[in-house]
Amino acid sequence: DAKTTQPPSMDCAEGRAANLPCNHSTISGNEYVYWYRQIHSQGPQYIIHGLKNNETNEMASLIITEDRKSSTLILPHATLRDTAVYYCIVRVSNFGNEKLTFGTGTRLTIIP
Amino acid sequence: KAGVTQTPRYLIKTRGQQVTLSCSPISGHRSVSWYQQTPGQGLQFLFEYFSETQRNKGNFPGRFSGRQFSNSRSEMNVSTLELGDSALYLCASSLDPDGNEQFFGPGTRLTVL
Repeated sequence: DAKTTQPPSMDCAEGRAANLPCNHSTISGNEYVYWYRQIHSQGPQYIIHGLKNNETNEMASLIITEDRKSSTLILPHATLRDTAVYYCIVRVSNFGNEKLTFGTGTRLTIIP
Repeated sequence: KAGVTQTPRYLIKTRGQQVTLSCSPISGHRSVSWYQQTPGQGLQFLFEYFSETQRNKGNFPGRFSGRQFSNSRSEMNVSTLELGDSALYLCASSLDPDGNEQFFGPGTRLTVL
């Protein structure tokens, strides 16, 4: 019952911007888009989230299309330590009606 | 502030046995979620607890159960283990159910022989 679609793998040169796409065409109006990443043998790490506006923090930027059916996570200057599996998820933030679904993730490899 | 801790980190069991995994959330966090991660299925949501109450449950059989204590620590139990239960079990905590950021523990790797 996955609600997001991501490419299985991507490569990016070190120092360049990594752009990771995610499709969530069935997203509901009250669902947020969250991004997590998981470095090998560690637990997932929160990156960023948004509802409909673009968001930026110290780790990344999140661009959400106007119709909210897709989004892109941008790592502005990728480093080798950014090599990980990146998960895009949609989540309702509403007490008593919450459901979390993780997609298959994108395995991002940063190439020296 | 200490992160989410999970015990044990590694566990080997045989089919038919039962297992209990423990999770201690970050101090002050009251919401705890459990996930199962396998190479074939990826990350799958098991259940979430808040204030000792299960708020939501994923699509897992009744052999998978959990509970939360008054100090927010949580345990999950799997009975009548099957080979397919071999996985990394992850616990995540957040301040409350609407917490925007979930902090994951290192996981417990369960191997069923």
